[in-house]
Amino acid sequence: GENVEQHPSTLSVQEGDSAVIKCTYSDSASNYFPWYKQELGKRPQLIIDIRSNVGEKKDQRIAVTLNKTAKHFSLHITETQPEDSAVYFCAASSRGGSYIPTFGRGTSLIVHP
Amino acid sequence: DVKVTQSSRYLVKRTGEKVFLECVQDMDHENMFWYRQDPGLGLRLIYFSYDVKMKEKGDIPEGYSVSREKKERFSLILESASTNQTSMYLCASSSPRDRRETQYFGPGTRLLVL
Repeated sequence: GENVEQHPSTLSVQEGDSAVIKCTYSDSASNYFPWYKQELGKRPQLIIDIRSNVGEKKDQRIAVTLNKTAKHFSLHITETQPEDSAVYFCAASSRGGSYIPTFGRGTSLIVHP
Repeated sequence: DVKVTQSSRYLVKRTGEKVFLECVQDMDHENMFWYRQDPGLGLRLIYFSYDVKMKEKGDIPEGYSVSREKKERFSLILESASTNQTSMYLCASSSPRDRRETQYFGPGTRLLVL
């Protein structure tokens, strides 16, 4: 089955800095890569996703990149703000006819004011 | 707005008890999932269901079973709770009719097994 590795497990930055979270996956059939954000005490929510036919996608201060050859994808957050502090999960999906994601272990991002 | 609810936010049970965790979604989603979330281990899939009465094992099904008698409701059952099942349990739903198949999560149930 799919295996998703996520790094780093913890990331501490100053407000205004950029943050990058990296994930690798093992199943070359994976073709959908969502990112979820979980604020403290809240449920995970989808923030951005990318499909295998696209190399990069941006949404305001966040962007995702995908390198299918190397089987890795990354989340980039620019001009970080304290409200970006959360746990971020990457995922990869390929199973069957419906997207059943395999999640990474999560990255705890701390943005210091 | 999609709403996924779980029957309890906190639950304390004794070793050996049978435990039922209930999840209800109101968006007519075909797919429903149960995950457990442990620090440093992320979200691990226990079971999922893509239709009423259908179920599939996830990555860590041992010690758990599920029931989906109605489309909107997906139950997770711990037949005989053990201390290593102390965890946060998250339910989620999605639909293949949604191009992104976004997973909508419930608020979670924090289970403590003594």
